[in-house]
Amino acid sequence: GENVEQHPSTLSVQEGDSAVIKCTYSDSASNYFPWYKQELGKGPQLIIDIRSNVGEKKDQRIAVTLNKTAKHFSLHITETQPEDSAVYFCSGGTGNQFYFGTGTSLTVIP
Amino acid sequence: DTEVTQTPKHLVMGMTNKKSLKCEQHMGHRAMYWYKQKAKKPPELMFVYSYEKLSINESVPSRFSPECPNSSLLNLHLHALQPEDSALYLCASSWDREGNTEAFFGQGTRLTVV
Repeated sequence: GENVEQHPSTLSVQEGDSAVIKCTYSDSASNYFPWYKQELGKGPQLIIDIRSNVGEKKDQRIAVTLNKTAKHFSLHITETQPEDSAVYFCSGGTGNQFYFGTGTSLTVIP
Repeated sequence: DTEVTQTPKHLVMGMTNKKSLKCEQHMGHRAMYWYKQKAKKPPELMFVYSYEKLSINESVPSRFSPECPNSSLLNLHLHALQPEDSALYLCASSWDREGNTEAFFGQGTRLTVV
């Protein structure tokens, strides 16, 4: 199956700064890359996704980029707010088979 | 309604017990998933059902037995579990067609095996 690696495992930023989380994947057949935010005691929630035919996608303060050649994709959060503090997971796969990265615990310091 | 509902929220069971986890969605999704998540770890895919048929089993031990009675319901039957099976069990659902596979997760069942 797919192997997704994610860095960093922890990230602290000042409120208002940007946060970047990077992931790599192994299976060149993977064509769908969702990002999830998981708050304590809750299930993962999709925040943005990107498909292999697109290089970049943006939704307000969140953006994702994909480099298919290098097999890596990144999440960018701008103007971070305390409520952005959570664990973020990247994910990759095809069809109905998705595998999660190891997670990044983001702390936004007020 | 974009909700995936899991019951119970918490479950404590002995190693000789038989119990079931339940998951329900009314979004018309035809793919449903079970994931297992240990503390401070990512969710691990266990099973995928597509149109009520088991399509993926990630080499899960037979003490976990999934069932999809209809397109809205997904169960996970548990029997003779071990303490190391204690985890958060997450259910998810999505459309089952290429180009539209956004998965919605439930809040999970926190299982403790004693």
